[in-house]
Amino acid sequence: EIVLTQSPGTLSLSPGERATLSCRASQTVTSIYLAWYQQRPGQAPRLLIYDASSRATGVPDRFSGSGSGTDFTLTISRLEPEDFAIYYCQQYGNSPVTFGGGTKVDFK
Amino acid sequence: QITLKESGPTLVKPTQTLTLTCTVSGFSVRSAGVAVGWIRQPPGKALEWLALIFWNDDTRYSPSLADRLTITKDTSKNQVVLTMTNMDPVDTGTYYCAQKGYGGYYYAYWGQGALVTVSS
Repeated sequence: EIVLTQSPGTLSLSPGERATLSCRASQTVTSIYLAWYQQRPGQAPRLLIYDASSRATGVPDRFSGSGSGTDFTLTISRLEPEDFAIYYCQQYGNSPVTFGGGTKVDFK
Repeated sequence: QITLKESGPTLVKPTQTLTLTCTVSGFSVRSAGVAVGWIRQPPGKALEWLALIFWNDDTRYSPSLADRLTITKDTSKNQVVLTMTNMDPVDTGTYYCAQKGYGGYYYAYWGQGALVTVSS
């Protein structure tokens, strides 16, 4: 199965700053079948990005995804207070689907 | 409006079988193209995919847990049921059901989650 490694483990930033989160796969992800989720404390994950770069319904355009092959990136252009959360990547191009270990974005 | 809600025991003993129910609204589990899956999350840890069932009763399981899992659906109640046998304390965590996206095996809508503790 594909192992997804997310980095950094924790990203300490201030509101208004740019966040760049990495997701690296142990082998090539078929097509662009990668998603990103946001999870706030005590809440269920929320789909942000699918197919590597398509925003889910209602997701602000400050969130963008890119990448292919084994390297994928989630960028938050200007952090809002509600964006401080944990972010997970998920690949679904190879069975079984797998999730990364998460990146926590917290206040500097 | 699409919603999913998990229900089941909050505490199970080691070796017991866990049964969780996901009640959905806003869509039918028998509509063509629909699939509902289960994902779990140990406290403070990452997400782990468990199982998926399609509208036509086709199923998929995590290879590492396939011998312990069964996923079924009850179309009359618009529910999806997950059973996990031989529960162990390492199975403690929050169990989520979620609707698979129409375009791929990502999860577009999630339930609130059900916390299950395995302890004697």
